[in-house]
Amino acid sequence: QQQVKQSPQSLIVQKGGISIINCAYENTAFDYFPWYQQFPGKGPALLIAIRPDVSEKKEGRFTISFNKSAKQFSLHIMDSQPGDSATYFCAASNRGSTLGRLYFGRGTQLTVWP
Amino acid sequence: GAVVSQHPSRVICKSGTSVKIECRSLDFQATTMFWYRQFPKQSLMLMATSNEGSKATYEQGVEKDKFLINHASLTLSTLTVTSAHPEDSSFYICSATVLGLRGHNEQFFGPGTRLTVL
Repeated sequence: QQQVKQSPQSLIVQKGGISIINCAYENTAFDYFPWYQQFPGKGPALLIAIRPDVSEKKEGRFTISFNKSAKQFSLHIMDSQPGDSATYFCAASNRGSTLGRLYFGRGTQLTVWP
Repeated sequence: GAVVSQHPSRVICKSGTSVKIECRSLDFQATTMFWYRQFPKQSLMLMATSNEGSKATYEQGVEKDKFLINHASLTLSTLTVTSAHPEDSSFYICSATVLGLRGHNEQFFGPGTRLTVL
């Protein structure tokens, strides 16, 4: 059973546009929601993360929006650049148990056209 | 800080041989290390959770006798794929966790190891 559902599977955006990736979860015990960026042949790298006590977190061009009541969170990439072309994974974990195990979404392959 | 290395980055071996992959946390002592497997265009699949000095906990469907995990120290974990077969060809990624500043475990990933079994 997929603990974290991610959409879309792939996304094509023009340079300068906004990329939006959505995730949803069911387990209300999750209290840490990171986003990872992965380039081909590389390991995932932490991009930005949020805890459920805030509704939004912004770091540069990357913003996480979090809706606790809907159990949804999303990644917004403003002014998307060709260098942002990568696979993005949302994840969730419960810091109080399972040693910080992450439950990953299926990933979104983002392509930014110049 | 929080750098995780893997060695080798790429390995090609013949069917039936065993392959060892090392995962090291370079500048911190890891509470826990995780091993993942990733097929092309798919998500990371957790194989096992490893703690220093204790037996690894394997996910359902992962053969512990085939994928041997040894967690020798707080900075080193190894994954040995025994009697490798072509279907074991995949991208193997480790991660190491450390207790973050705000009390939650943060996971840092290694660069991955591409295994090709001929």
